[in-house]
Amino acid sequence: QVQLVQSGAEVKKPGASVKVSCKASGYTFTTYYMHWVRQAPGQGLEWMGIINPTGGSTTFAQRFQGRLTMTRDTSTSTVYMELTSLRSEDTAVYYCARVEFDGSGFPVPGAYWGQGSLVTVSS
Amino acid sequence: DIQMSQSPSSMSASVGDRVTITCRASQGIRNYVAWFQQKPGKAPKSLIYAASILHSGVPSKFSGSGSGTDFTLTISSLQPEDFATYYCLQYNVYPHTFGGGTKVEIK
Repeated sequence: QVQLVQSGAEVKKPGASVKVSCKASGYTFTTYYMHWVRQAPGQGLEWMGIINPTGGSTTFAQRFQGRLTMTRDTSTSTVYMELTSLRSEDTAVYYCARVEFDGSGFPVPGAYWGQGSLVTVSS
Repeated sequence: DIQMSQSPSSMSASVGDRVTITCRASQGIRNYVAWFQQKPGKAPKSLIYAASILHSGVPSKFSGSGSGTDFTLTISSLQPEDFATYYCLQYNVYPHTFGGGTKVEIK
């Protein structure tokens, strides 16, 4: 069965960087794109970006320009999300979420989710 | 970026009620809308994609409709396990964008 297992909680100081991992299993890793979504405490969901595990190409929300890097390691079926220059507003639970395709090839976003990784930014 | 205006932001409803949540896109997005349910402390769960197609394993009391700019999620008969927060997502163009969420609470 498809599983996405994320790395544990992190506490970082303002200005630092964080790298969250999402290890996939139960399917062919390079077949499906992976989103990153975050949720600040008590707030809604925010789409951050998407990575194609085959070639590693990425697309991300402009507001994270220059701070967000998404990478993958096909040897370990793991995707990574690194956010730099952290500020208090980046305190959130970060999720990876895998795309699926239905029988007619229509994309299903967020068909599978990781358990979330809490990143706390505090001095 | 496409804005997804979701309403209401919260609502109180009783078991057995029919509930409708709407999302309006700031520009046409064909039928590239998904709906998610999220319970406290849990990851979101996919309910509907392509505006109206039920994700595998989701009960038929959930339904979705719409195309272009206006979309709805309907729960035909609210059950205790349905009290949660619901989000729409447009995935027609990048960046994908979520609605602000609708918290469905017990009346």
